Order: sequence, then structure tokens, then C-alpha cells
Amino acid sequence: AQKITQTQPGMFVQEKEAVTLDCTYDTSDPSYGLFWYKQPSSGEMIFLIYQGSYDQQNATEGRYSLNFQKARKSANLVISASQLGDSAMYFCAMRGGSGAGSYQLTFGKGTKLSVIP
Amino acid sequence: DGGITQSPKYLFRKEGQNVTLSCEQNLNHDAMYWYRQDPGQGLRLIYYSQIVNDFQKGDIAEGYSVSREKKESFPLTVTSAQKNPTAFYLCASSIRGPTYGYTFGSGTRLTVV
Repeated sequence: AQKITQTQPGMFVQEKEAVTLDCTYDTSDPSYGLFWYKQPSSGEMIFLIYQGSYDQQNATEGRYSLNFQKARKSANLVISASQLGDSAMYFCAMRGGSGAGSYQLTFGKGTKLSVIP
Repeated sequence: DGGITQSPKYLFRKEGQNVTLSCEQNLNHDAMYWYRQDPGQGLRLIYYSQIVNDFQKGDIAEGYSVSREKKESFPLTVTSAQKNPTAFYLCASSIRGPTYGYTFGSGTRLTVV
């Protein structure tokens, strides 16, 4: 079974500072994908970044980067130069490489990020 | 443009009524999903479908039903057996495989009155 753990229910960050949102995962699949989504108060789920289990380098997308430590089974999201519009819920998710897991995304409980002016 | 359309955006249900939430996609994705989200909580899987005319229960299927008669459509019915249906419902679709994430609809907020 797959499991995603986000241990920070809420976080605050000063505008223009960097922030790290924690995510650990557990799976027995050798092949899997890790995803981060942003959910603003409007409710839509916005895809941010993806990391494959075999990727050698950490993924980056603009101000978002994923600190992937495979041995520790962690996939932390780093947001650089925080903006007020970054205030939202952030979800870490994982998708396995085989069987039913290859269809389903397993989500963590999320971290609510608040950016302070 | 390709995407997923959920309707309605807001829905009110009286006690004892069945209501149906619509989800349509034009992305040619095989798989579709329904999730429930309660305030301040993560997403819980209700049902998913990998192919037309086939679907499987997720973690919280009791009180819900679905159909998949067309590849593009995956409606969710919240039945009167669902005792606490007030929640935010998200529909998603995807291509099979670990390198693909989901594309989500904009959600339906259901309230029991």
C-alpha cells in the first residue's frame, strides 16, 4: 500500500522568503511518480511539479523545486521568493508503477501555507 | 481547449434526495476519478473507472454510485444513503502510468439543507 505523510498542517512564511513543505512517502513499487498540487481557496487543484523515482536530478519548475531524497523517501517542495498568491493548501501525492497503484494518486492531508506581507 | 468540466459549481440537496454531479472530459483520458474533500482535509477516493462500462470502489464508496457509459463522462450520484454528503467533490482524469498526474475539474460544492 502507498502512503503519503505531510506533517505540517499549517505554515507561515514572510513574503519574498523561501519555504520548504515536507512530504514523506512509503511504497514498495520500484517505479513511482511524486506530484505536488496547489489548491487555492477557490478549490481548483493546480499541478505544480513532478518527480520520477528514476530521475537523477531534482525537478524544478520556475520558483518551485522538489528536494528528492530517495533513500529517506522524502519529496519536499521548496518555494523560493514567496508571493502573496502562494497562500493556499499544498498537497503531496504519489502514483505507483504497477497494478491498481498505477491508476490512483494517493494524497497526503495537505499543508496550509500563509504568506505574510 | 481540452479539460474537465464539472457541473454544477454549487448544489443544494434536501434530506432524502438523490443528486447527480456531472463530470465531462475531452482529453481522451481512459481513467476517471471522484474524490471527496471535507473542510481542511485531504482528498478521499470515492470511485474510479479505468475503462468504459467498468468502475471500482474507492475508500469511501458507501452512499454513492457512478456510471461510465461513455469515455468522456463519469457522473456521480449521491444517494439518500449517504448520511453526511455536505462536502466539496472533485472529478479528475488521467492517462495510465506513474509519470502522469491528474487533470482536475473545478469542483462541485454540495450542501444539504
